[in-house]
Amino acid sequence: SAVISQKPSRDICQRGTSLTIQCQVDSQVTMMFWYRQQPGQSLTLIATANQGSEATYESGFVIDKFPISRPNLTFSTLTVSNMSPEDSSIYLCSVGVSRDTEAFFGQGTRLTVV
Amino acid sequence: LAKTTQPISMDSYEGQEVNITCSHNNIATNDYITWYQQFPSQGPRFIIQGYKTKVTNEVASLFIPADRKSSTLSLPRVSLSDTAVYYCLVGDIKAYGQNFVFGPGTRLSVLP
Repeated sequence: SAVISQKPSRDICQRGTSLTIQCQVDSQVTMMFWYRQQPGQSLTLIATANQGSEATYESGFVIDKFPISRPNLTFSTLTVSNMSPEDSSIYLCSVGVSRDTEAFFGQGTRLTVV
Repeated sequence: LAKTTQPISMDSYEGQEVNITCSHNNIATNDYITWYQQFPSQGPRFIIQGYKTKVTNEVASLFIPADRKSSTLSLPRVSLSDTAVYYCLVGDIKAYGQNFVFGPGTRLSVLP
């Protein structure tokens, strides 16, 4: 298993600002993903965080809005840039030791933009 | 990624067996079937994963017919703590890893 620490757990931010969310894993993992979950809704995959290269974004998500870093096999960050109230959501980090083993999710970061 | 269809909600009583069926008519040859559970204010938690026939672990069983166009998650003797949203997911995990397209899931309510 993998233990994931996501920081911050929650934040309230002013529109137009940016927030960087950190995902730290207690062991090296091959796969790291970022999801968004709006209140009462299901999860939406934002991107796959690739170690040492640019993230792979899903349709509807762009690097300028959601820059992602993954400097090593245990850490990744997601930045929500130039925030608007529509960005209010829970952002979740998910990791997998290998491609075909189960993925573990962090507790999420609850973001409110005012 | 294949789309899935599952009931929006289900009710059950403590001690009963619960079966949640998921349809994935367009499942591809390399796709695996995975189920996750999510409690309020928590990230999803892996339950079980399989490719064909039957898979069983300490918490659930997964039944997959030969045509793989559907699957059934079976939870034996549920308790109140099993009240959660259950997601059925399909994807080519060996190629892309466990990055999934989540549907709305099934909201299971276990009643006393």
